[in-house]
Amino acid sequence: DAKTTQPTSMDCAEGRAANLPCNHSTISGNEYVYWYRQIHSQGPQYIIHGLKNNETNEMASLIITEDRKSSTLILPHATLRDTAVYYCIVRVGNYGGSQGNLIFGKGTKLSVKP
Amino acid sequence: KAGVTQTPRYLIKTRGQQVTLSCSPISGHRSVSWYQQTPGQGLQFLFEYFSETQRNKGNFPGRFSGRQFSNSRSEMNVSTLELGDSALYLCASSSGSAGGANVLTFGAGSRLTVL
Repeated sequence: DAKTTQPTSMDCAEGRAANLPCNHSTISGNEYVYWYRQIHSQGPQYIIHGLKNNETNEMASLIITEDRKSSTLILPHATLRDTAVYYCIVRVGNYGGSQGNLIFGKGTKLSVKP
Repeated sequence: KAGVTQTPRYLIKTRGQQVTLSCSPISGHRSVSWYQQTPGQGLQFLFEYFSETQRNKGNFPGRFSGRQFSNSRSEMNVSTLELGDSALYLCASSSGSAGGANVLTFGAGSRLTVL
């Protein structure tokens, strides 16, 4: 699975959009980009995933560059409850093989400030 | 729909003892994975079970083992506990169906302290 590079930490003002970048320059064609977050001492929470197209759900938007070498997670109106560590993970899709072995890096610690 | 349930949430053991942690996946999910999280090493994959078979294993010693039952519930066991086994142990479940993307749903974790 391709490796990812994320900034160690970021700050965001409450109510503003939080844009979290992720570099995955060695991504291959069948690898998805996943985002999870972990609020202190809780289990990681799935946010969104994408393959080639930009994606949006009730939590966030995922923007993937055309060459797929980087992506940005956007939290449109950050709240204090969005303070967490955000993990960008790249992994192949499931074609009969193992599904559960995600490789978590160190992630980005997002601090939303009032 | 109930989430992933892990028990116990907290436990304290002493070196040399063994511990068993339990995980009940989301109804209908057939894949259960286990992770260890420590401040120094972060989140590390332990193993994954699907239809009662271990499908993948991380780089952990044989003291760490697991199993899955026919109802997809899973247990993990750590024998001969060491101080370094103190960690948050997380369980995650997924549908296990082939094809496409994979989304894991994590439980709240079992926090193990070894004294």
